[in-house]
Amino acid sequence: LAKTTQPISMDSYEGQEVNITCSHNNIATNDYITWYQQFPSQGPRFIIQGYKTKVTNEVASLFIPADRKSSTLSLPRVSLSDTAVYYCLVGDGSTGANNLFFGTGTRLTVIP
Amino acid sequence: NAGVTQTPKFQVLKTGQSMTLQCAQDMNHNSMYWYRQDPGMGLRLIYYSASEGTTDKGEVPNGYNVSRLNKREFSLRLESAAPSQTSVYFCASSAGTRNEKLFFGSGTQLSVL
Repeated sequence: LAKTTQPISMDSYEGQEVNITCSHNNIATNDYITWYQQFPSQGPRFIIQGYKTKVTNEVASLFIPADRKSSTLSLPRVSLSDTAVYYCLVGDGSTGANNLFFGTGTRLTVIP
Repeated sequence: NAGVTQTPKFQVLKTGQSMTLQCAQDMNHNSMYWYRQDPGMGLRLIYYSASEGTTDKGEVPNGYNVSRLNKREFSLRLESAAPSQTSVYFCASSAGTRNEKLFFGSGTQLSVL
């Protein structure tokens, strides 16, 4: 089974940049890395997806080194509303959707 | 658009009772999924349907059955509920099965006494 490893929790002050790293040693050649955000009592929501190097959108950046065995989600200038659980999602090289493994997530708490 | 709609939002069952969780999506997606979420465990895939007419087991399928009724609807059935099935259940959909963005419903909180 594919396995991802993330820090269980992180704290940050408002206005700071937050970097959350995910390790995924078994990532397959054709798999992308996807991050989701989950607020209490809601389903996860897509944030960003990438294959290699760097991807940026209006809410986050994703940094992926050449060996693709890890990735870093970067949230610029966080606010209280960014307090949530963040999940890193990768496949394990097998076919089909049963390779969509969520990790345990990182609980980010933004402090005023 | 409503996206992914799950019903009910809350349910309490007694051990041994049965029930069906309903899920519908209005995005014309091919693939649909059922996950469960337990404290400290993240989300675990129960069953998925890559396309209309097909279903496959995920990581934790025991004690559950699913039906892909049509392209829009994917139901999850507990035939004989057990306390270990107390969890939050999420339905999701995506255009395809690999490297596709998942869209989630708001969840069903199920308690089995």
